[in-house]
Amino acid sequence: EAQVTQNPRYLITVTGKKLTVTCSQNMNHEYMSWYRQDPGLGLRQIYYSMNVEVTDKGDVPEGYKVSRKEKRNFPLILESPSPNQTSLYFCASTPTGHIEQFFGPGTRLTVL
Amino acid sequence: QKEVEQDPGPLSVPEGAIVSLNCTYSNSAFQYFMWYRQYSRKGPELLMYTYSSGNKEDGRFTAQVDKSSKYISLFIRDSQPSDSATYLCAMSQGAQKLVFGQGTRLTINP
Repeated sequence: EAQVTQNPRYLITVTGKKLTVTCSQNMNHEYMSWYRQDPGLGLRQIYYSMNVEVTDKGDVPEGYKVSRKEKRNFPLILESPSPNQTSLYFCASTPTGHIEQFFGPGTRLTVL
Repeated sequence: QKEVEQDPGPLSVPEGAIVSLNCTYSNSAFQYFMWYRQYSRKGPELLMYTYSSGNKEDGRFTAQVDKSSKYISLFIRDSQPSDSATYLCAMSQGAQKLVFGQGTRLTINP
């Protein structure tokens, strides 16, 4: 089944404890992206990647890192999480030049 | 001012009603206009998209874009309880850098 998977789906952590949220897609898409979704603010792009080893900042990149060593994987790294990073995170992918982005199921992160 | 504005609702209507969802935007360079639907505890899924101005119809759903007014709409005819979801408008200049509205939570009551 063609899909975008994210792990974990739910995570509660404490301030300053490094964490990684994984994202993987099996559709051979070049473009991958991370969003956060907050009430009243909608979906905002954190980072995106046009292809392997090519990443760039989105609209809200502060406090996040990403890497794209393989085409299928695009992990989101929070090196020192803070409470204002409590949010619902979505990974998405799409083939180059296509409109539709395919979203993962989301990761709900709580930072205490 | 946000680049894309969408009334967050919530919006509650009886089954069978016509639903109108709207977004306004400020960036005249936007060329692609999309509507995503998000069910509870799920990721968004593309419902429809339009390139530039005009209307597009898909079953009970109609998307309209008025670039002169910087205004887009999604109409749902004969609404069903299964249409209950959050609807997100999204726009872009090119194919991939999307800017989303805040999302409107819609409930269709049987």
